[in-house]
Amino acid sequence: AQSVTQLDSQVPVFEEAPVELRCNYSSSVSVYLFWYVQYPNQGLQLLLKYLSGSTLVKGINGFEAEFNKSQTSFHLRKPSVHISDTAEYFCAVRTNTGNQFYFGTGTSLTVIP
Amino acid sequence: DTAVSQTPKYLVTQMGNDKSIKCEQNLGHDTMYWYKQDSKKFLKIMFSYNNKELIINETVPNRFSPKSPDKAHLNLHINSLELGDSAVYFCASNRGQVNTEAFFGQGTRLTVV
Repeated sequence: AQSVTQLDSQVPVFEEAPVELRCNYSSSVSVYLFWYVQYPNQGLQLLLKYLSGSTLVKGINGFEAEFNKSQTSFHLRKPSVHISDTAEYFCAVRTNTGNQFYFGTGTSLTVIP
Repeated sequence: DTAVSQTPKYLVTQMGNDKSIKCEQNLGHDTMYWYKQDSKKFLKIMFSYNNKELIINETVPNRFSPKSPDKAHLNLHINSLELGDSAVYFCASNRGQVNTEAFFGQGTRLTVV
C-alpha cells in the first residue's frame, strides 16, 4: 500500500524568507511524485512533478522540489516567499501500476508580512 | 476555456434530499475521478472511471452513485443526504497514463442542513 506523509500541518513564514515543506512517501513500487497548491476556495493546481531523470525539479511560481529515493522524500522549497504564496500545499504520489493519486494531509503555508 | 468544470459551485440542501453534481472535462482525457475533501482538507478518493468504466470504487456509502454517460462527463448523485456529507467535492481528470498529472475542477461545496 502507498502512503504520503506531510509532517507539518501548518507552516508560518515571514515574507521573503525561505521555506521548505516536507513530504515523505511509502511505496513498494516505483512512484511518480507531485506537488499541488490550493488557494482559498479554489481547486488544486499542479506546482511541479517528478517523473524520472534529474532529481531536482522546478515548477511554477519559483518553487522547486528534490526527489530523494533513499529517504523516500520529495520536499518542496522556495528561496523567498511572497504573500501570494499563502495557500494549502498537497504532496501526492502515483505508482507505476495504479490508477489513483494518493494525497498527503496538506500543509497550510501562511506568509506573514 | 475551463479544462475541468463542475456545477454547481455551491450547494445547500436539507437532510434527506437527493442532489447531483456534474463534471465535464474538455481535455480529451480517458480517466475521471471524484474526490471528497473534508473540513480538515483531507482528500479522499471516492470513484474513478476510465472510458466510462468504473475502475475505483472506494468504501463510500451506496447513497453515492457515479454515472459516466461518456468519457468527458462524470456525474455524482447523492441520495438521502446526511449532515456528514457536507464537504467539498472535487472532480479531476487524467490522460490515463501513469506518468501524468491530474487536473482538478474548482470544487463543489456541499452543505447539508
